[in-house]
Amino acid sequence: NAGVMQNPRHLVRRRGQEARLRCSPMKGHSHVYWYRQLPEEGLKFMVYLQKENIIDESGMPKERFSAEFPKEGPSILRIQQVVRGDSAAYFCASSRQERTDTQYFGPGTRLTVL
Amino acid sequence: ILNVEQSPQSLHVQEGDSTNFTCSFPSSNFYALHWYRWETAKSPEALFVMTLNGDEKKKGRISATLNTKEGYSYLYIKGSQPEDSATYLCALPGTGNQFYFGTGTSLTVIP
Repeated sequence: NAGVMQNPRHLVRRRGQEARLRCSPMKGHSHVYWYRQLPEEGLKFMVYLQKENIIDESGMPKERFSAEFPKEGPSILRIQQVVRGDSAAYFCASSRQERTDTQYFGPGTRLTVL
Repeated sequence: ILNVEQSPQSLHVQEGDSTNFTCSFPSSNFYALHWYRWETAKSPEALFVMTLNGDEKKKGRISATLNTKEGYSYLYIKGSQPEDSATYLCALPGTGNQFYFGTGTSLTVIP
């Protein structure tokens, strides 16, 4: 059973470009969480999705950031018009159920904005 | 916002020593507590999910206890080995669907 997959592992963008980060959950998992780790900081919750639904996006900046988890295909975290402050490691995690079930983390995508 | 605190921030122990560290959280509206182990350049690895007051979980030389009434969990490592060197994180879900992580305890085991 493959683990949580994220791609790309490293992404370099210039200011103003778009960044698309992909997350394929473990087989049988329908809950996906996205987290961000800024330099010298801990993991911060961004958004929680189930298939085709955004359940909680309270941790995501209201502008430029969006997330989706379509019926088919990976979950996507999209950052439009990136700025240097978006440089961070972005992790996704998946679980079978919310809250009380183990979350399995992907390897992360390290975004660098030049 | 849920305030999750971990102490100490970092810890250096000799190989073979046993050690423990703490995760503190508000005792109201408790749902679950997750412990993770995070090695440098890797992704967080799940250790335990604890849900009931008085829970004790064990995985090899690592064990954890939970006290939801007073709002803390202890993680114990018996006979520390160099491969135990990592950052240990705890996380709790909030009243919505957010998860709040502590800043972690960085453990270094000296051979």
